[in-house]
Amino acid sequence: QQQVKQSPQSLIVQKGGISIINCAYENTAFDYFPWYQQFPGKGPALLIAIRPDVSEKKEGRFTISFNKSAKQFSLHIMDSQPGDSATYFCAANSGYSTLTFGKGTMLLVSP
Amino acid sequence: EAGVTQSPTHLIKTRGQQATLRCSPISGHTSVYWYQQALGLGLQFLLWYDEGEERNRGNFPPRFSGRQFPNYSSELNVNALELEDSALYLCASSKQGAPNYGYTFGSGTRLTVV
Repeated sequence: QQQVKQSPQSLIVQKGGISIINCAYENTAFDYFPWYQQFPGKGPALLIAIRPDVSEKKEGRFTISFNKSAKQFSLHIMDSQPGDSATYFCAANSGYSTLTFGKGTMLLVSP
Repeated sequence: EAGVTQSPTHLIKTRGQQATLRCSPISGHTSVYWYQQALGLGLQFLLWYDEGEERNRGNFPPRFSGRQFPNYSSELNVNALELEDSALYLCASSKQGAPNYGYTFGSGTRLTVV
């Protein structure tokens, strides 16, 4: 019930392309869905987050799409750049509980 | 504003020894979380401290323990180290009562057990 399943494990995208990472959850009590970005040798950093009262949130080139009925959410990176190459984690939690993370997606944007 | 600081950055221990990892949260943050990041396993929740109390712990054996000090800094202790404890240990902090407003992570302590 606490799992968050993330796919794909790794992703290679051409510069300028769209990167799409998907996550699915089971716990319908989850009400906060952040995405974290981690560069080698660094801790994860909050990238963007969404709550289930909206279906989409956009910040610059990063967009979260949220499908409450399907219990899925995804991260879209438009116009992907080599500097976006990193590991991305989705996560979820509810109320006063700790974040449950997906297993991560290693994104490589080729020049 | 200083971020979450962790020390040491690297730690090498022998199997069976004890390791102590330290974390200083962002000023004003009272909650501290510990996660283990082992290769291919993502971020596994270890412990959550808030106002000096352990609020929750993940599915790890009791040899993983910790505490939070009055200044909200925290330490993670791992006793009887095993080879599979080798991982990046991440500390994160958040404001009290606001774990679902996002954590701020430190850069981690790389623990290697030989």
